[in-house]
Amino acid sequence: EAGVAQSPRYKIIEKRQSVAFWCNPISGHATLYWYQQILGQGPKLLIQFQNNGVVDDSQLPKDRFSAERLKGVDSTLKIQPAKLEDSAVYLCASSQWDSDTGELFFGEGSRLTVL
Amino acid sequence: LAKTTQPISMDSYEGQEVNITCSHNNIATNDYITWYQQFPSQGPRFIIQGYKTKVTNEVASLFIPADRKSSTLSLPRVSLSDTAVYYCLVGDRYTNAGKSTFGDGTTLTVKP
Repeated sequence: EAGVAQSPRYKIIEKRQSVAFWCNPISGHATLYWYQQILGQGPKLLIQFQNNGVVDDSQLPKDRFSAERLKGVDSTLKIQPAKLEDSAVYLCASSQWDSDTGELFFGEGSRLTVL
Repeated sequence: LAKTTQPISMDSYEGQEVNITCSHNNIATNDYITWYQQFPSQGPRFIIQGYKTKVTNEVASLFIPADRKSSTLSLPRVSLSDTAVYYCLVGDRYTNAGKSTFGDGTTLTVKP
């Protein structure tokens, strides 16, 4: 079974530029999450989708971050304009909506460096 | 949401048993306790989940006392490859609320 796919793996941009990350969850997983992980810290939830609807985006900086999950499958996270403090790994995860454990399956992440 | 507290770091040697304790004083009735492991340059990976008493799988054991205000992840006979960050999460089994909230975890370093 294929895992969660993310791209690009690495991205370097100047501050005030824009960037987009893509995620394809495990087939059949209705729930999709985007996390931000700053070096030395645990992952912080940015947004959670159930199919193509947003369940929780309370920690998403909406003035610069946006995310969509059209058709309830893959998802894109965009940052515009980027700030130095956005340098982090952006992790995508998915889970089955009716899972007994709610186990999260993570991709390898997209590492962003803002100069 | 229940807040969790874990040691920032732990050291061990190959072949030893490692116990990592997580405190969650405000755990709710519907909350389950879940542990994840994260290696450098990878996303976290599910290790084990439990509600009460003891749960064991091929990787680890999870001990939860009767009051459920803490839990202990036990890794038997660790090897160098067990060096990783371990996260304790607490969340509602039915709504999934809180299950996605990670703290800063415990960095386990296994030495030869």
